[in-house]
Amino acid sequence: EPEVTQTPSHQVTQMGQEVILRCVPISNHLYFYWYRQILGQKVEFLVSFYNNEISEKSEIFDDQFSVERPDGSNFTLKIRSTKLEDSAMYFCASTGLAGRNEQFFGPGTRLTVL
Amino acid sequence: GNSVTQMEGPVTLSEEAFLTINCTYTATGYPSIFWYVQYPGEGLQLLLKATKADDKGSNKGFEATYRKETTSFHLEKGSVQVSDSAVYFCALIGENTGFQKLVFGTGTRLLVSP
Repeated sequence: EPEVTQTPSHQVTQMGQEVILRCVPISNHLYFYWYRQILGQKVEFLVSFYNNEISEKSEIFDDQFSVERPDGSNFTLKIRSTKLEDSAMYFCASTGLAGRNEQFFGPGTRLTVL
Repeated sequence: GNSVTQMEGPVTLSEEAFLTINCTYTATGYPSIFWYVQYPGEGLQLLLKATKADDKGSNKGFEATYRKETTSFHLEKGSVQVSDSAVYFCALIGENTGFQKLVFGTGTRLLVSP
């Protein structure tokens, strides 16, 4: 069964460093998302991506964040200069259908900023 | 804006006990509502969903009914198993959301003992 994969599973970085979180969505999907969950808090929407551009972003997704689909398979989230408060679990998701349908999630990357 | 409220966890039950996890929402119109489950070390998986009032979603013995009058989508299972131990997330997609942004509750951890 096709699945969304994410790498790495755990990333530890120093404050101020750049990190890139990688996702491989399901191959025929067209809509891509990043969400995050700070420990003990809600899963929060960060950004959606369709047709090679951002379709919606939350207020969390400021200039320090960027997303890219560099080739036909990967979907990346870059944090330019990490802060302590960026420590969270980051989930990638994808779906092949427009409308209010199931999103398929990856296992997440736990980011720890020291 | 749209929001989801879930009961606090953890919920601790013995095997074969009856489960209810409460979920209420705030949204205009008729959102689509979902229950996702996260097993240890894995990503979020769709458990069940409903797209209109009085719809009942069901899967793996779990059920939830979309109640517009009480703005609720409570998750129930008649007899839980140890393998049901996981974190359960209630979520919705708003009626007028073009790119399917999911709004999540905080998640409820279920622990089932033999």
